[in-house]
Amino acid sequence: DTGVSQDPRHKITKRGQNVTFRCDPISEHNRLYWYRQTLGQGPEFLTYFQNEAQLEKSRLLSDRFSAERPKGSFSTLEIQRTEQGDSAMYLCASSPTNTRGRNTIYFGEGSWLTVV
Amino acid sequence: AQSVSQHNHHVILSEAASLELGCNYSYGGTVNLFWYVQYPGQHLQLLLKYFSGDPLVKGIKGFEAEFIKSKFSFNLRKPSVQWSDTAEYFCAVSEYNNNDMRFGAGTRLTVKP
Repeated sequence: DTGVSQDPRHKITKRGQNVTFRCDPISEHNRLYWYRQTLGQGPEFLTYFQNEAQLEKSRLLSDRFSAERPKGSFSTLEIQRTEQGDSAMYLCASSPTNTRGRNTIYFGEGSWLTVV
Repeated sequence: AQSVSQHNHHVILSEAASLELGCNYSYGGTVNLFWYVQYPGQHLQLLLKYFSGDPLVKGIKGFEAEFIKSKFSFNLRKPSVQWSDTAEYFCAVSEYNNNDMRFGAGTRLTVKP
């Protein structure tokens, strides 16, 4: 399978613990995105990378959240001191670069986080 | 701020019925428009997209959508639905040269056999 892959698919953690999600994008895609989705809502943009550079961050990305893409390939999303409100599906997506913004974004299957 | 509205939260149809799901967006500039589908237990998949040109775009599985600029709308249609179309459908919009893709809240479609 050469799609976007995410790990782990499910994570249950206690409030206050740190969690980290990993995303491997489609290999030739240099853009990588993180979204969050809660039940009954559409995905909400969190941040995106162009290669290793983090170019945009949503206000949804509080200082407890940090995302990295150190070598421009895989990315990690870490949530520190998790809260129950962090329970959601965290979606990773990738796209090739298109200078006119005509990017089709391909999504992974998501990582479900439950904070208890 | 840009927003995307999907008018129907849950639509229930019988097989062979026609489908139209509404999508409106608030941004007045040049936009890219998408419909994604999420089948139960699966990831979001692209159904169709509009960047420019013919405002009537055809996607996979017999779906089509029409961009009406004057109405800021991008409604999804299918002439005859099947039970396998049961899924959640998301409209998404991104501004020209902007990577912040905004999604609607989604419409859950249930097709009864």
